[in-house]
Amino acid sequence: QVQLVESGGGVVQPGRSLRLSCAASGFTFSSYGMHWVRQAPGKGLEWVAVIWYDGSNKYYADSVKGRFTISRDNSKNTLYLQMNSLRAEDTAVYYCARDRPWCSGGSCYPGAFDIWGQGTMVTVSS
Amino acid sequence: SYELTQPPSVSVSPGQTARITCSGDALPKKYAYWYQQKSGQAPVLVIYEDSKRPSGIPERFSGSSSGTMATLTISGAQVEDEADYYCYSTDSSGGVFGGGTKLTVL
Repeated sequence: QVQLVESGGGVVQPGRSLRLSCAASGFTFSSYGMHWVRQAPGKGLEWVAVIWYDGSNKYYADSVKGRFTISRDNSKNTLYLQMNSLRAEDTAVYYCARDRPWCSGGSCYPGAFDIWGQGTMVTVSS
Repeated sequence: SYELTQPPSVSVSPGQTARITCSGDALPKKYAYWYQQKSGQAPVLVIYEDSKRPSGIPERFSGSSSGTMATLTISGAQVEDEADYYCYSTDSSGGVFGGGTKLTVL
C-alpha cells in the first residue's frame, strides 16, 4: 500500500544539526513532488519545504530558509530534510507528504498533500 | 507570503451542518485545500482544489470558494467528525496554512 515512513527525529542541542528521512513505498516516488510539514506541540500546521519530482526546484518557508535543505534520492525512494543551526522554535513533529499537483495550460504546480507519513518528533533543547 | 484566517472553534450537534470558513486575500486566485486532523494522528486531505473530494472521503464533506473566502461544509456532522480542520493554499514559492478550527460535535 501507499506509505511514507519518517525517521531521524530525536533530541538535539540548539545550534546542532539533524537529518530526517522519509521512505516511500507503494507508488512511483520519482513521479511526485514531496513536502515537509511540521507541527509544534499544541500548535497548528506549518508548511516547511517542497521539492519537485526530479529535484529541479526547491522552495522553503521563510522561517527555515538558509538553515534547512530538502533533497531526495529517487533511486532509494527517499526524501530528506537536512536541518542545521537548529533553534528551540524548530521543536515539532515533522511530517513528509506527497504532492498532488494542479495543472493548467500544460504546466503543473504544487497542490494538495494527499499522502502523509506518521511524523517524527524533533526536540531542540539544551 | 500571506495569511489565511480561520475561526478558532465551531460547535454543532450531531446531524447538524457545520461550516468552517477560511479567508485570505489570495483565495480568488489560488485553490483552497482542507485537512482533517484527529487527536494524535497525521492530517488527512478532505477537500482539494476548492471543492473536489478525494476517494474515501464521505459525501457529507464539501467545499466551496467565493472571493476571498473558502468554506468547508460538513452536512449532517457526526461525532467522528470531531477534529481540528486546517485550510491551506499555495503562494508563489510555497504554501500557508490557516490557524486551524477545532470542530466539536456534541
